[in-house]
Amino acid sequence: QKEVEQNSGPLSVPEGAIASLNCTYSDRGSQSFFWYRQYSGKSPELIMFIYSNGDKEDGRFTAQLNKASQYVSLLIRDSQPSDSATYLCAVNNRFMIQGAQKLVFGQGTRLTINP
Amino acid sequence: GAVVSQHPSWVICKSGTSVKIECRSLDFQATTMFWYRQFPKQSLMLMATSNEGSKATYEQGVEKDKFLINHASLTLSTLTVTSAHPEDSSFYICSASGGGSQPQHFGDGTRLSIL
Repeated sequence: QKEVEQNSGPLSVPEGAIASLNCTYSDRGSQSFFWYRQYSGKSPELIMFIYSNGDKEDGRFTAQLNKASQYVSLLIRDSQPSDSATYLCAVNNRFMIQGAQKLVFGQGTRLTINP
Repeated sequence: GAVVSQHPSWVICKSGTSVKIECRSLDFQATTMFWYRQFPKQSLMLMATSNEGSKATYEQGVEKDKFLINHASLTLSTLTVTSAHPEDSSFYICSASGGGSQPQHFGDGTRLSIL
């Protein structure tokens, strides 16, 4: 079982609808969860992050955590064509080394917003 | 805030050449910097983690003598690909974090092509 799993897609959503992206993780002790957006040929860009203490909303984006079922989700409201990208889920590696935590990335979900 | 600059963006060079890539955190102090490699249509692969003033920690299967990492200050880390060969051609991306559970912020990446 992979540590972080995402459906690779492609996920097609009509413009203006809600896009729902999901990610499951295997390490029950994970504490931090991150969503990155990556456009083709570009590097990842941080969209949102949440800790184990709750969900977060930022503009059109909402990140939700279900610890019991070990999955995190990213909702994008009022989807725009510019939201078309690959979305990477990342979870902290709780076996910390000195300094910052390593992240384990999922393979990414390719999202396409259709005008 | 949290801007990470990576240079150069593109490198094309002959086989056997050594290539240095710089990663700078412009507006924060990066306790830890990470180096990733990404092949087309694949997810990020962590190569190594470096903490300022310490030796880098390499992931399994990554040759430390081939991929030299230096993290001499809280704002600069360098990756040197020594005696590069065509199979080293890839998209190399650095990220930086202020430490602990703070998120990683990515540079724009360096596309390396070895002829």
